[in-house]
Amino acid sequence: QQQVKQSPQSLIVQKGGISIINCAYENTAFDYFPWYQQFPGKGPALLIAIRPDVSEKKEGRFTISFNKSAKQFSLHIMDSQPGDSATYFCAASTTNDYKLSFGAGTTVTVRA
Amino acid sequence: NAGVTQTPKFRILKIGQSMTLQCAQDMNHNYMYWYRQDPGMGLKLIYYSVGAGITDKGEVPNGYNVSRSTTEDFPLRLELAAPSQTSVYFCASSPVGAEAFFGQGTRLTVV
Repeated sequence: QQQVKQSPQSLIVQKGGISIINCAYENTAFDYFPWYQQFPGKGPALLIAIRPDVSEKKEGRFTISFNKSAKQFSLHIMDSQPGDSATYFCAASTTNDYKLSFGAGTTVTVRA
Repeated sequence: NAGVTQTPKFRILKIGQSMTLQCAQDMNHNYMYWYRQDPGMGLKLIYYSVGAGITDKGEVPNGYNVSRSTTEDFPLRLELAAPSQTSVYFCASSPVGAEAFFGQGTRLTVV
C-alpha cells in the first residue's frame, strides 16, 4: 500500500515553463516532507523539504506548497530548464525516525 | 569527502546464491537506511539503523538481513537470491533530524 501517492507519472514542459507535481499522503503522523531529484544512474538527492508548520517554502526556482487539511503537497518548478530534466520523488516521514515513504516518482522532461 | 559509498555497482546473481551489498559512510551519521527501487514504484525501505548495534525492519525486509557493528558500515545480506530481488539498491545515511544522503546505488539482477 503506497503511503504517498504522486502524480503525474511523467510530464513534458517547454523551457521557461512551469512544472507542477502533486503528492497526497494518508498518515497524519507524517511531519517531514522532502522532495528528491534523481538523474539516471545516480542516487536521489535532496532538493527541498518542508515541515507542516508552514504552507509554502521557496528555494530559487523550486517551491513546495503544503495543505495540511487536505493532506497534500506539491512541487512547482518555475522557469524550467533542460538541466531540470530528471525524476522527482516526493516523500514523507515522521521526525521521530526519518523513515521515508516515497511516492512513485515523476519523470520531467524539459524541451529546449 | 566520499559521502556514502556502495559496492559493487553492478552484480548478477544466480537463484539461490547469496551476497552482501556493502555500504560505508564517512560523515559520522547515526542513521543509516537501505532502500530498493523498482521501476514505477519509488523507493521502499528494507532496513534501517539508528546507531551501531541497533537495526530494525522497514517496509520490505523479507529475504534480507543487516548488521551495524560500526557507525560507518551498514552491509545488506541476501541469503537465497530470488528473481523478485532484482532491483536497484540504495544505501543512505543522515545525521539526526536532517536530510538523507544517498549512495550511487547497486544494480542487482537475479537470474
